[in-house]
Amino acid sequence: DTAVSQTPKYLVTQMGNDKSIKCEQNLGHDTMYWYKQDSKKFLKIMFSYNNKELIINETVPNRFSPKSPDKAHLNLHINSLELGDSAVYFCASMLTGGTGELFFGEGSRLTVL
Amino acid sequence: RKEVEQDPGPFNVPEGATVAFNCTYSNSASQSFFWYRQDCRKEPKLLMSVYSSGNEDGRFTAQLNRASQYISLLIRDSKLSDSATYLCVVNRGANNLFFGTGTRLTVIP
Repeated sequence: DTAVSQTPKYLVTQMGNDKSIKCEQNLGHDTMYWYKQDSKKFLKIMFSYNNKELIINETVPNRFSPKSPDKAHLNLHINSLELGDSAVYFCASMLTGGTGELFFGEGSRLTVL
Repeated sequence: RKEVEQDPGPFNVPEGATVAFNCTYSNSASQSFFWYRQDCRKEPKLLMSVYSSGNEDGRFTAQLNRASQYISLLIRDSKLSDSATYLCVVNRGANNLFFGTGTRLTVIP
C-alpha cells in the first residue's frame, strides 16, 4: 500500500495553462506539505496544512493555490504556468507530536514548455 | 542567509572509506534535526534523527552541536549502496521543516 500517493507522476504542459496535482496519504497523519525541488535539487517548502488549515505559506506566487478537503488530502492547483514552474513537486505528511519523520510521495515531475 | 547550509559536494570516495558531511543552521530556536537520504529521481527518506548526545545507527553516526548550530553525519566503511544525496533537515518549530541543498556522495568500487 502506498502511504503517500501523488498524481500525476509526470505532467508536460504549455506555458499559460492551468494544472493540478493531487496528493493523498493513508497514514492517519494530520499535517501535509508541498515541497518544490528545482533543477539544482534544492527542496523548498511551499505550503503546509494541519487538519485542513493552512499553517505555512512560504513566499510562493499566488498562482499556486493549495486545497485540503480533509486531512488526508492536499491538492495543488497552479494557474498560468510559467517556464520557471518546471520542477518536481513532492507531497509529504507528518504526524504532529510523532517522531518528526516526514513521509514523501514519489513526486510529480512538471515540465512547462 | 539560508536556513540550512550544506557543502553540496560531490564527494567521491572509494569503498571502505570514512566520509563526513557537515551542515549549519541559522535559527538558534530550531528544535529537531534529521538526516534524509535521496536517491536519484526518488523521494527523500529518513536516514536518522539527530540527538543532542549524538547517536549511531550501524555505520552511521550523527552529531549535533547546538552552540555552533552545526550538525554532522559520519559514514564508516562506505558501501556502493551508500551513493546518494544526503539532506540535512531542521525543524524550526510548528512542523516547519527546512532542507539543506544536499550533499552528493558517490562511492567508487
